[in-house]
Amino acid sequence: RKEVEQDPGPFNVPEGATVAFNCTYSNSASQSFFWYRQDCRKEPKLLMSVYSSGNEDGRFTAQLNRASQYISLLIRDSKLSDSATYLCVVNKAVSGGYNKLIFGAGTRLAVHP
Amino acid sequence: DTGVSQNPRHKITKRGQNVTFRCDPISEHNRLYWYRQTLGQGPEFLTYFQNEAQLEKSRLLSDRFSAERPKGSFSTLEIQRTEQGDSAMYLCASSSGFGFSGKQETQYFGPGTRLLVL
Repeated sequence: RKEVEQDPGPFNVPEGATVAFNCTYSNSASQSFFWYRQDCRKEPKLLMSVYSSGNEDGRFTAQLNRASQYISLLIRDSKLSDSATYLCVVNKAVSGGYNKLIFGAGTRLAVHP
Repeated sequence: DTGVSQNPRHKITKRGQNVTFRCDPISEHNRLYWYRQTLGQGPEFLTYFQNEAQLEKSRLLSDRFSAERPKGSFSTLEIQRTEQGDSAMYLCASSSGFGFSGKQETQYFGPGTRLLVL
């Protein structure tokens, strides 16, 4: 079983739609959680960190459920520019205190006019 | 541009050749990571440096791979006797951090080096 699992998609949605991505992780010792965005043939870029209380950044809302080891990302009012792959990322706790990031395979989003 | 830079951006080589990639992290970042990403997958951790010390290597990093960060600034990743299975995007990331776990530390990625082994 992969440490971080995501639905690969693609999710094909019209502009203005609301779309939600889910992710599960297997290591209960994970301490930090993130969503990264990756455009085709580009590097991943941090979209947002995910906190236990849930957090929102404009049209994007992230939720974390530690008990179920589940992370979600909600995108409201989708724009064409949101088309990308969204990577769910968890920090694997390691000695030494650094962030060993474990990436999911990503969920592809295609927003069409 | 003060972000992470990587060179070359693309490399095509023949099987059996050696290749070396360079990463220049954000200047004040003491932590440097190498990842590998193949098509349809997320990046996979290869190795981590804190300053010049290589503190962890993934089992993905076979003995044909070696990474260095001699002065705690730029890093190189060398692949010897390349194989077709080495074809991937090699990503470098850097961050600042001082050793306590659980910190919401952000890793900033470079544009990657895309390797194709023929």
